[in-house]
Amino acid sequence: AQSVTQLDSHVSVSEGTPVLLRCNYSSSYSPSLFWYVQHPNKGLQLLLKYTSAATLVKGINGFEAEFKKSETSFHLTKPSAHMSDAAEYFCVVSQTGANNLFFGTGTRLTVIP
Amino acid sequence: GAGVSQSPSNKVTEKGKDVELRCDPISGHTALYWYRQSLGQGLEFLIYFQGNSAPDKSGLPSDRFSAERTGGSVSTLTIQRTQQEDSAVYLCASSYPGGLYEQYFGPGTRLTVT
Repeated sequence: AQSVTQLDSHVSVSEGTPVLLRCNYSSSYSPSLFWYVQHPNKGLQLLLKYTSAATLVKGINGFEAEFKKSETSFHLTKPSAHMSDAAEYFCVVSQTGANNLFFGTGTRLTVIP
Repeated sequence: GAGVSQSPSNKVTEKGKDVELRCDPISGHTALYWYRQSLGQGLEFLIYFQGNSAPDKSGLPSDRFSAERTGGSVSTLTIQRTQQEDSAVYLCASSYPGGLYEQYFGPGTRLTVT
């Protein structure tokens, strides 16, 4: 069985400060892990993905995530938040051969000027 | 090129009526997915099409929900005898086959059942 848990439903940071969005996963086999972002009134967009290559994955807009098997975590980070980062972020798990993605419930990121 | 398109963008219907939601995937993507996003929830998988294979319907919540994909391209999600709990945003995505590939999402159809 596969699932993801996003530990925070809402995160608020000041512009220019670091961002940390937490995600823990559960998967019976080697997972593929993704972070998607959803800006208001826009479609979901892939930020980054992990597919058993390097454990530190770099994505778009300065975001990165580290796959930690021992902690079953895939936290999303960014060194310095920008106002345009305000959005809903979804952690997602899949596995080789699976037909679908399993989405977390999302973390809403607010950036304070 | 063009992304995934969905129509209508908004649909308001009365309880008990049937609705059809349409998805046009990206050309060349053989995999097509339908998801439902309810308020405050993550995305819930509904159904998956891959080429000419039988669809994976394991996520459909009841027999009131059905979907088809004609000619391996356009897909229609049909909800019969709509209920208020069907109110949600219905998202379509397409990709190359397999869970390792990025899914490209459409803007969604917001369904409101009154």
